[in-house]
Amino acid sequence: QVQLQESGPGLVKPSETLSLTCAVSGGSFSGRWWSWVRQPPGKGLEWIGEVGPDGTTNLNMSLKSRVTISVDNSKTQFYLSLSSVTAADTAVYFCARNHNFAFDPWGQGTLVIVSS
Amino acid sequence: DIVMTQSPESLAVSLGERATITCKSSQSVLYSSNNKNFLGWYQQKPGQPPKLLISWASTRESGVPDRFSGSGSGTDFTLTISTLQAEDVAIYYCQQYYTNPPMFIFGPGTKLEIK
Repeated sequence: QVQLQESGPGLVKPSETLSLTCAVSGGSFSGRWWSWVRQPPGKGLEWIGEVGPDGTTNLNMSLKSRVTISVDNSKTQFYLSLSSVTAADTAVYFCARNHNFAFDPWGQGTLVIVSS
Repeated sequence: DIVMTQSPESLAVSLGERATITCKSSQSVLYSSNNKNFLGWYQQKPGQPPKLLISWASTRESGVPDRFSGSGSGTDFTLTISTLQAEDVAIYYCQQYYTNPPMFIFGPGTKLEIK
């Protein structure tokens, strides 16, 4: 079955750029849409954005000016870049496959702390 | 702005009893193009990613026990757990999809505990 795994730095300094990779294995990659979702500690879920098979993206309007999402079909990976981070960006970041206009499956998530 | 609410915020139910969680949106997610509601329900246990239980408002995902059911249409939806099991303790989220602009929004969550 499809498995997703997030990777990237666990600590990012304020004003810098957060960069994460989601590696997908075990299933079909091309032709699918993929998303990033985050969850601040002890809080709810926030969709960040999605990327399609041709690199088309749809982004959460509240984050759009700081977010870039891209895909590499040859590597079966997709990526998140979030610029100008602040403490408010501290969260567990999940990658997920779009499924029936929902998300399934999900990666285990990676905690990113923004701190100097 | 689109507003999503869930009620209650927290819920304590006895083992074997029914648990009901509601989700309301300020905008309909029923699309006439396919007559489907773009509404999902998730279960999240501590330290784990959310697990999709139900999509299209009422379609149970593969492997999800049949005690979980979803209903509703348009702006009002319900997740029902017919006979609560100990392993159902979790936070439950609804999630909706809107087409213009394309976006996904999660409800604030409902914490389910054993009474």
